[in-house]
Amino acid sequence: QSALTQPASVSGSPGQSITISCTGTSSDVGSYNLVSWYQQHPGKAPKLMIYEGSKRPSGVSNRFSGSKSGNTASLTISGLQAEDEADYYCCSYAGSSSSYVFGTGTKVTVL
Amino acid sequence: EVQLVQSGAEVKKPGESLKISCKGSGYSFTSYWIGWVRQMPGKGLEWMGIIYPGDSDTRYSPSFQGQVTISADKSISTAYLQWSSLKASDTAMYYCVRISGFDAFDIWGQGTMVTVSS
Repeated sequence: QSALTQPASVSGSPGQSITISCTGTSSDVGSYNLVSWYQQHPGKAPKLMIYEGSKRPSGVSNRFSGSKSGNTASLTISGLQAEDEADYYCCSYAGSSSSYVFGTGTKVTVL
Repeated sequence: EVQLVQSGAEVKKPGESLKISCKGSGYSFTSYWIGWVRQMPGKGLEWMGIIYPGDSDTRYSPSFQGQVTISADKSISTAYLQWSSLKASDTAMYYCVRISGFDAFDIWGQGTMVTVSS
């Protein structure tokens, strides 16, 4: 099972919107509406930001939104803030035998 | 409060065995899958495997099958990750996670740093 492909880095100025892509295959992202996104600040455990492709857990800002088209999922951060600077990972369910696969990770920099 | 609390950092020598733990509280431990995630220094997240504490059904990532053993003791709400013979390449942060009904890792432990060095 190969890792999902994400851009290594994305940057934006405060207030702007950025989008992080997550490309998989028809065996994972394309087959299930079960993509989740995680935010990880340096030295901290990851935090769930989006589940089932586009749903936000309680307490997560509505500036974070998710979507999917075919084998590619996306995370959009609108109204970029300094606190959004972190690493972001996507993850997809990949069936009962393979179970889960993470993306390669994207470093978001707020300019 | 729903939480997963992991055991402390470990420093081991190559060839030694190790078992780290993850204790759940604030929810029904036997009703959710628990997973383990590896993060090597400066690298990304890797899914290792999962266990259902209710019946100990266990599944492994092909990358970790045969390399580690995942187990659980539901009587004390604790999951484990163990190695029989550590290698330097096992040096990493290991997180336990609770898997929600939506196949998302909704609760994360604080992580256990394992360092393997001669």
